[in-house]
Amino acid sequence: NAGVMQNPRHLVRRRGQEARLRCSPMKGHSHVYWYRQLPEEGLKFMVYLQKENIIDESGMPKERFSAEFPKEGPSILRIQQVVRGDSAAYFCASFITGGTGELFFGEGSRLTVL
Amino acid sequence: TQLLEQSPQFLSIQEGENLTVYCNSSSVFSSLQWYRQEPGEGPVLLVTVVTGGEVKKLKRLTFQFGDARKDSSLHITAAQPGDTGLYLCAGADNNNNDMRFGAGTRLTVKP
Repeated sequence: NAGVMQNPRHLVRRRGQEARLRCSPMKGHSHVYWYRQLPEEGLKFMVYLQKENIIDESGMPKERFSAEFPKEGPSILRIQQVVRGDSAAYFCASFITGGTGELFFGEGSRLTVL
Repeated sequence: TQLLEQSPQFLSIQEGENLTVYCNSSSVFSSLQWYRQEPGEGPVLLVTVVTGGEVKKLKRLTFQFGDARKDSSLHITAAQPGDTGLYLCAGADNNNNDMRFGAGTRLTVKP
């Protein structure tokens, strides 16, 4: 049973370009979280998604950021017109409802904006 | 909005020493989890505590959930260099729908 898969692991973008980060949850998991982590810091909540539904996006900037989790395919975090301050590690975590509540994390996508 | 405060933020100790890190909040949680994150990797769950006053042991790690379910502690006995990492606590609201993380305690155990 494959774990949570994130790609790309590393992404370099120039200011103004778009960054698209993908997350495939564990098999059978229909909920995902996206978190952002700056160096030497903890995890900052961004968005919580269920398939075809955004449950809580209160941690995500209203401009330039969007997230989706379609019925088929991975969850995608999209950052438009990236700026240097967007440089960070972005982690996705999935879990199964009715389970222990454990979050299973991917290895993260590290975005560098030049 | 729940706010989880972890202390200390950084901790550097020698191998063999004991340590305790804390996770505090003004909110009540239905459950609280501790994760450990190593450089370049995602966090991995260590334990989930659910009942107020609960104590769980995982080898040299002892986790306690406060009676009021607002705080938790992690005690490590005879720390080893392999314990080095970022320790994160995470709390879920009463519906277990919203997981929020503290800023973490960054532990370094020197040989």
